Amino acid sequence: NAGVMQNPRHLVRRRGQEARLRCSPMKGHSHVYWYRQLPEEGLKFMVYLQKENIIDESGMPKERFSAEFPKEGPSILRIQQVVRGDSAAYFCASSPGYQETQYFGPGTRLLVL
Amino acid sequence: GQQLNQSPQSMFIQEGEDVSMNCTSSSIFNTWLWYKQEPGEGPVLLIALYKAGELTSNGRLTAQFGITRKDSFLNISASIPSDVGIYFCAGPKDSGTYKYIFGTGTRLKVLA
Repeated sequence: NAGVMQNPRHLVRRRGQEARLRCSPMKGHSHVYWYRQLPEEGLKFMVYLQKENIIDESGMPKERFSAEFPKEGPSILRIQQVVRGDSAAYFCASSPGYQETQYFGPGTRLLVL
Repeated sequence: GQQLNQSPQSMFIQEGEDVSMNCTSSSIFNTWLWYKQEPGEGPVLLIALYKAGELTSNGRLTAQFGITRKDSFLNISASIPSDVGIYFCAGPKDSGTYKYIFGTGTRLKVLA
C-alpha cells in the first residue's frame, strides 16, 4: 500500500544544468499534481496532469519548466538551465479522480549552486 | 488573489497542553483541509471538512469548518512531542477545482 513516491529526495545542480524530478502516484491514482514550496512558505500549485495529458499548467513558469505523465512510468517535472531561484522543495500529489483529495509525496529538495 | 492566513505563525507549548490554531480566508471555501508537515517530508492529510459548521475529529485532533465558510479551526488536545511540525490549512482555489491554496502554516514546537 505504497504512498506517492518521489525521487530523488535531494538533488544538487549547478546553474545551467537540467533537473529531472520523478513522481509515481499512489496505486489506482491517475491524476498527478506538482507543487513548489519555498522556504518558510506554503505550497504553490504548478501543474495538473492525467495520463498523457497536461490539464492545467497555469502555475508553472512558461520558460524552462515542463511536465509530463506518460502512459507508462512516472510523471516527470523537468527544469532546464536551472537558476538559484529554482532552489525549493517540489512536491507531487495524486488523487484517484478529478477534484478528489490529494495525497502528497515526500518531496524532492532541489539545491542550485 | 485568494490567500489563507494562519495564526499563530508559531507556538511553543508544554507537553500535555491543548493547542488551537485557525485559518482565515478573504473568500468562501467549500472544502477545508488540514495537513501536517514534518521536517524533510511532504504534507500528510489530517482532516478534511466539506460542510459549513462541520466538526470532525481524528484522535486528539478536532477541526471545524466555520459557518461563514471563510475560516476553519484546528485543535490538538493533550499535545505530545511527536505533534511537532508545521500545520497547514488548504482548500481548492475555486469551487470544484483541483488547485489547492495553502496557508502560511503554523509551526508547533512541544517542550517535553
